[in-house]
Amino acid sequence: GAVVSQHPSRVICKSGTSVKIECRSLDFQATTMFWYRQFPKKSLMLMATSNEGSKATYEQGVEKDKFLINHASLTLSTLTVTSAHPEDSSFYICSARDQTGGGGYTFGSGTRLTVV
Amino acid sequence: KQEVTQIPAALSVPEGENLVLNCSFTDSAIYNLQWFRQDPGKGLTSLLLIQSSQREQTSGRLNASLDKSSGRSTLYIAASQPGDSATYLCAVRRRTSYDKVIFGPGTSLSVIP
Repeated sequence: GAVVSQHPSRVICKSGTSVKIECRSLDFQATTMFWYRQFPKKSLMLMATSNEGSKATYEQGVEKDKFLINHASLTLSTLTVTSAHPEDSSFYICSARDQTGGGGYTFGSGTRLTVV
Repeated sequence: KQEVTQIPAALSVPEGENLVLNCSFTDSAIYNLQWFRQDPGKGLTSLLLIQSSQREQTSGRLNASLDKSSGRSTLYIAASQPGDSATYLCAVRRRTSYDKVIFGPGTSLSVIP
């Protein structure tokens, strides 16, 4: 079945630095990928929709300059958390839709970001 | 605006019991509904996908139903096992070209040996 690989699984960074998270569709092409954020014991909050070859669409309240999204190819989307602060610490998950899989979504394994 | 709710928020059952998790959505114009499982600190694993034209899907001990008109879906787990302990999330995909998926808050299930 469709597989989405997310890297890294865990990252610790210092305040003020930037962190890049990669999301790859391994055996299918994904024109659209999605980035979610999850707070402890909470559900997933959609941050933005990443579109291959065009600008990402951000949800209301999500800072575009803070969370930079690039979807340079049909198999790779990246999320860069810029000038990270402790409040950015969270679990970030990406997903992609396999067009041949009935419209279902496949998720990456997530990235635990801790900003110290 | 589509809103998705799940009841109960948490559930604890003894091993072997059959159980039902509920998911409700406010806008019946959906493309599909998907049930996921999430283990602590992990990503999401897809369990069942129901298209809007379908009424149920089955996989092993899991059965999911969909009633679009009433805005409800249920996930039935038969003969529960300790390994079923996890958070179960339902997600609804809107019937628009935007492809947005809205998640419910999840049900935290604990199966006691």
